[in-house]
Amino acid sequence: QVQLVESGGGVVQPGGSLRLSCVASGFSFTTNGMHWVRQVPGKGLEWVTAIWPSGLKKNWADSVKGRFTISKDNSKNTLYLQMSSLRVEDTAIYYCAKDGGRGVLDYWGQGTLVTVSS
Amino acid sequence: DIQMTQSPSTLSASVGDRVTIACRASQTISNFLAWYQQRPGRVPKLLIYGTSNLETGVPSRFSGSASGTEFTLTISSLQPDDFATYYCQHYDDDLWTFGQGTKVEIK
Repeated sequence: QVQLVESGGGVVQPGGSLRLSCVASGFSFTTNGMHWVRQVPGKGLEWVTAIWPSGLKKNWADSVKGRFTISKDNSKNTLYLQMSSLRVEDTAIYYCAKDGGRGVLDYWGQGTLVTVSS
Repeated sequence: DIQMTQSPSTLSASVGDRVTIACRASQTISNFLAWYQQRPGRVPKLLIYGTSNLETGVPSRFSGSASGTEFTLTISSLQPDDFATYYCQHYDDDLWTFGQGTKVEIK
């Protein structure tokens, strides 16, 4: 079965950096795109960034463009989110999700909480 | 950018009720429209893709439709497990956009 396990969340000061990881299993990581989606606790979902299967094509929401970088290591079945110049408003639960084709995200990890606070 | 606006934000209903949630796009969009359910403390679950296609394993009381720029999720007979927040999501031009969510509460 598909499993996505995020890690790397924590508390960081404004302006700081953090790297999230998501280890995938149960499907072909090499041939699937992946996403990061975030959710402020108690609020709605916000798509953050996506990476295509090869890792060569990526896209970002305007809110994180130039600050967040998505990457994937197909040899380790691991997705990454490098976050820099963090802001208080980046505080959220960060989910990794598998691209299901058809424009959807069909499997989600349990999420990792990032808190940006001084 | 395309905006997706859901209504209502909150909906109070009883078990057995027929429930309809709307998601309006800010402009004409493709039918790459999906619906997700998020129960309290749980991760989002894909219910419907391509406007009206039921994801494998999702009960048939869930259905989706569209008319122009308005997309609709219908639950034909609300069950206790259905009290949750529902999100529409659109994909176009390498961007994914979520609606703000509709919370279905117990009346």
